[in-house]
Amino acid sequence: ETGVTQSPTHLIKTRGQQVTLRCSSQSGHNTVSWYQQALGQGPQFIFQYYREEENGRGNFPPRFSGLQFPNYSSELNVNALELDDSALYLCASSLGSQDEQYFGPGTRLTVT
Amino acid sequence: GENVEQHPSTLSVQEGDSAVIKCTYSDSASNYFPWYKQELGKRPQLIIDIRSNVGEKKDQRIAVTLNKTAKHFSLHITETQPEDSAVYFCAASRSGGGADGLTFGKGTHLIIQP
Repeated sequence: ETGVTQSPTHLIKTRGQQVTLRCSSQSGHNTVSWYQQALGQGPQFIFQYYREEENGRGNFPPRFSGLQFPNYSSELNVNALELDDSALYLCASSLGSQDEQYFGPGTRLTVT
Repeated sequence: GENVEQHPSTLSVQEGDSAVIKCTYSDSASNYFPWYKQELGKRPQLIIDIRSNVGEKKDQRIAVTLNKTAKHFSLHITETQPEDSAVYFCAASRSGGGADGLTFGKGTHLIIQP
């Protein structure tokens, strides 16, 4: 098992609401990447944070935003939730921005 | 952007036989190719990766080959065991997994028949 943790494990929200998901990176890792995994699909890259700065972003709208803190933990915020946002949200930490990525257990978000 | 195609979507093999999963990528600038194993309800687990400066990498029963000219890479599992049953994802990145993230294939459900 990796040292990457995520909270909460499961979450149910209503369309239009806002949600915050949290990720603690593995000790010594300064980079966190976030992915959305729909049922039966591969993970899709949302964005990456490296040393508290957004380092890159996938094809997701601005209502998906994030933060990285001085201890390198990270948050993913999603505003104005839509039904299609229902998915498993995974974070992955890495030693540096171009190193192997190790995934956390994910947060299962259901939007009703 | 990068596009990764993965085949087959389902692969059933007898225990002890070999399994091969193939991926193709579209961006010739991609230079990092990891493979992840995901068991039902669990996190993706990195099992092996290869960078574009080598053509093959092996770790016990698992090997990955890369053909940069053809833009494809493959996962080989020998002497398959029941615990190899899972969904396997290939991925590619032009920044070593950095600013453009990993682009994943749709996955292969590997079933090991006893």
